[in-house]
Amino acid sequence: DGGITQSPKYLFRKEGQNVTLSCEQNLNHDAMYWYRQDPGQGLRLIYYSQIVNDFQKGDIAEGYSVSREKKESFPLTVTSAQKNPTAFYLCASSIGGTGRYGYTFGSGTRLTVV
Amino acid sequence: GIQVEQSPPDLILQEGANSTLRCNFSDSVNNLQWFHQNPWGQLINLFYIPSGTKQNGRLSATTVATERYSLLYISSSQTTDSGVYFCAVEPIKAAGNKLTFGGGTRVLVKP
Repeated sequence: DGGITQSPKYLFRKEGQNVTLSCEQNLNHDAMYWYRQDPGQGLRLIYYSQIVNDFQKGDIAEGYSVSREKKESFPLTVTSAQKNPTAFYLCASSIGGTGRYGYTFGSGTRLTVV
Repeated sequence: GIQVEQSPPDLILQEGANSTLRCNFSDSVNNLQWFHQNPWGQLINLFYIPSGTKQNGRLSATTVATERYSLLYISSSQTTDSGVYFCAVEPIKAAGNKLTFGGGTRVLVKP
């Protein structure tokens, strides 16, 4: 079955550590996205990528980094510069273009700072 | 940037009731989507509806692009309809295919 796989489901980070969240898709989608969701809030865009080896900052990119070396993969690193990283992180993909085919989301990673 | 406001923020329904959720946006859009987030966090795309009306089972949606709002109708609600409903838009002026989400409407359907 085609879809998006995010791992791990739960992640605990110590103060000052960098952690990397995995996102893999086998939908052959060109575009991929990372969103952050805080409790009771909507989703905010962190980074997005429309093609391999290219990505752009979203609305809240500070303290995060990404790479897009393969079409299927778009890992997100939460760096120690991100002062409040505890949140639910969602990865999505779309065919691209006008987005008329909609987004497909992964099941998310819950990150907690301990 | 574009503002997306959803109302009501919270909705409690008795099973079998009908309801209407609203999404207002502050600029012209070429992409509007409705999503449902279940209690475990999974987001499912319900509709791609930048204009017009669509129906899928007990759910339907209408977007009036000229007046910058969209409505999501839930008929004969079931407990499985509980969760958070998000509206997300892409402004015509924006570069790249990326969505801005509203704050959501939290729906609880009681048996």
